[in-house]
Amino acid sequence: GAGVSQSPSNKVTEKGKDVELRCDPISGHTALYWYRQSLGQGLEFLIYFQGNSAPDKSGLPSDRFSAERTGGSVSTLTIQRTQQEDSAVYLCASSSQRTDTQYFGPGTRLTVL
Amino acid sequence: GQNIDQPTEMTATEGAIVQINCTYQTSGFNGLFWYQQHAGEAPTFLSYNVLDGLEEKGRFSSFLSRSKGYSYLLLKELQMKDSASYLCAASGGYQKVTFGIGTKLQVIP
Repeated sequence: GAGVSQSPSNKVTEKGKDVELRCDPISGHTALYWYRQSLGQGLEFLIYFQGNSAPDKSGLPSDRFSAERTGGSVSTLTIQRTQQEDSAVYLCASSSQRTDTQYFGPGTRLTVL
Repeated sequence: GQNIDQPTEMTATEGAIVQINCTYQTSGFNGLFWYQQHAGEAPTFLSYNVLDGLEEKGRFSSFLSRSKGYSYLLLKELQMKDSASYLCAASGGYQKVTFGIGTKLQVIP
């Protein structure tokens, strides 16, 4: 596809369950970012990948959050033992090596009941 | 580290001009982005300033002063569809970008 895609678009889960969010970046983009955005709030940086490695994991809120990227392409963000405060829109973005411009996916809206 | 400051809310009248300011403090700096985000949608790229000065792109212009750590986004001939959040973001090198909280602009008739 031409743009960044994310799945699922919506996820409702029960407190304590694990969830896995997927991001497909623009083909050829080496950098991939995960952000979280709570209702009416700004973007909260979570993690950034350059290729398959994550030089900056400083934004992950707790050890319940993890992310991986394989083949320099698809990335998954996993949240274990979800809590109600994890409810937010999780946005993925990618950028090429030639420019820092980030192109965002439509996001996954996570609701933890 | 990086710190980005911008007003949280602004209101302006349709047809008018509005300036959204952003100040930044960074340990390393490559350039300054502006993104637009409509409610319920993902951010979309507006502009990227690397050099000092004003860059104009249609109704939108963006200014950067590297020595002052200051940028602004200027929107002319405001339209109702310009109601959105405007995110200032600093590029700190090697594709690390830090976003501000965003300025929610409301355009009123």
